[in-house]
Amino acid sequence: DAGVIQSPRHEVTEMGQEVTLRCKPISGHDYLFWYRQTMMRGLELLIYFNNNVPIDDSGMPEDRFSAKMPNASFSTLKIQPSEPRDSAVYFCATIGQLNTEAFFGQGTRLTVV
Amino acid sequence: KNQVEQSPQSLIILEGKNCTLQCNYTVSPFSNLRWYKQDTGRGPVSLTIMTFSENTKSNGRYTATLDADTKQSSLHITASQLSDSASYICVVSDSNYQLIWGAGTKLIIKP
Repeated sequence: DAGVIQSPRHEVTEMGQEVTLRCKPISGHDYLFWYRQTMMRGLELLIYFNNNVPIDDSGMPEDRFSAKMPNASFSTLKIQPSEPRDSAVYFCATIGQLNTEAFFGQGTRLTVV
Repeated sequence: KNQVEQSPQSLIILEGKNCTLQCNYTVSPFSNLRWYKQDTGRGPVSLTIMTFSENTKSNGRYTATLDADTKQSSLHITASQLSDSASYICVVSDSNYQLIWGAGTKLIIKP
């Protein structure tokens, strides 16, 4: 397996534009997590899914953020409209079972200007 | 409040030396404790996962310890290499599978 695959690796966009980040989990992993990482706040959990169903989205900062997992092999995190303070690295991580190792993607570095 | 605190914030050591990173937590109920290594520009990579009953766990030159009574963990790196330069993050999981992340220790290995 190629691991967790995220795209794009880098995204630069203007304030107000819609941004869509993509994640392909490891096959067979039932849990998928979206994290945001900044220097100031470290890693923050935004939302996680179990078997494609959102379980906890309490970390989603605002209504501008939305996440979907239409099937077991694909998830998106959308920001609409984007703002400069959304600039961060966004990670997707998956695990097979609770209390086992989490595998992270390479991240998407988002810059909103 | 569930918290994970790491020390030091940053550390610089010479190649070949050993070092120990600390993690204190107040997470309850406790499920497991993990150490991750994050290279610059990359996602975190798991080093160890320890449950309540495990006191020590090794992964090559990395050895993690856990004292569930005092709620402390340490990560010891032996014979450091330049490739060990990274951030090391302590993460504690509660029984509801909430992962509480520490702020990390930035380790720099100098030749």
